[in-house]
Amino acid sequence: EAGVAQSPRYKIIEKRQSVAFWCNPISGHATLYWYQQILGQGPKLLIQFQNNGVVDDSQLPKDRFSAERLKGVDSTLKIQPAKLEDSAVYLCASSLAGQGLGTETQYFGPGTRLLVL
Amino acid sequence: AQTVTQSQPEMSVQEAETVTLSCTYDTSESDYYLFWYKQPPSRQMILVIRQEAYKQQNATENRFSVNFQKAAKSFSLKISDSQLGDAAMYFCASLGGATNKLIFGTGTLLAVQP
Repeated sequence: EAGVAQSPRYKIIEKRQSVAFWCNPISGHATLYWYQQILGQGPKLLIQFQNNGVVDDSQLPKDRFSAERLKGVDSTLKIQPAKLEDSAVYLCASSLAGQGLGTETQYFGPGTRLLVL
Repeated sequence: AQTVTQSQPEMSVQEAETVTLSCTYDTSESDYYLFWYKQPPSRQMILVIRQEAYKQQNATENRFSVNFQKAAKSFSLKISDSQLGDAAMYFCASLGGATNKLIFGTGTLLAVQP
């Protein structure tokens, strides 16, 4: 079974530029998550989708970050304009999120490492 | 609100020895799950082990086992027969059954000495 796919793996941009990340979850997983992981910290949830609807975006800086999951499968996360403090690894995860044991376990992609100069 | 605390920023173990990583948590939910994730230098977050809070029996996965003390809100990870490939950052995480939000600790960096 293929895992969660993310691209690009690395991105270097200058502050005030725009950047977009792509995620393709595990096939059949209804729930998709975007996390921000700053160096030396644990991941922090930015946004959670259930199919193509937003479940939780309370920690997403909406003035500069946006995310969509139009067809309920893959998703994009965009930052516009980027700031120095956005330098981090952006992790995508997915879960089955149906009924029953084990559906809540989240599986992570390899992440996109963003450096803002 | 959920919180997860890992009080050991770094740990070291000799190859083939046993090491225990500590984790405490706090949650107001009655239904929740606990996880240990491993993140090697390549940064792919890998699930190591999971525990359902309603289960009294401690979860085990090969060389990995947990000591789940529900009353003390403690969830430690024991790695037996440590291998060089176990070297990584280990994150403890809790997920509330109602909120479905995964909260991570700050991680413990494990070094395995040959």
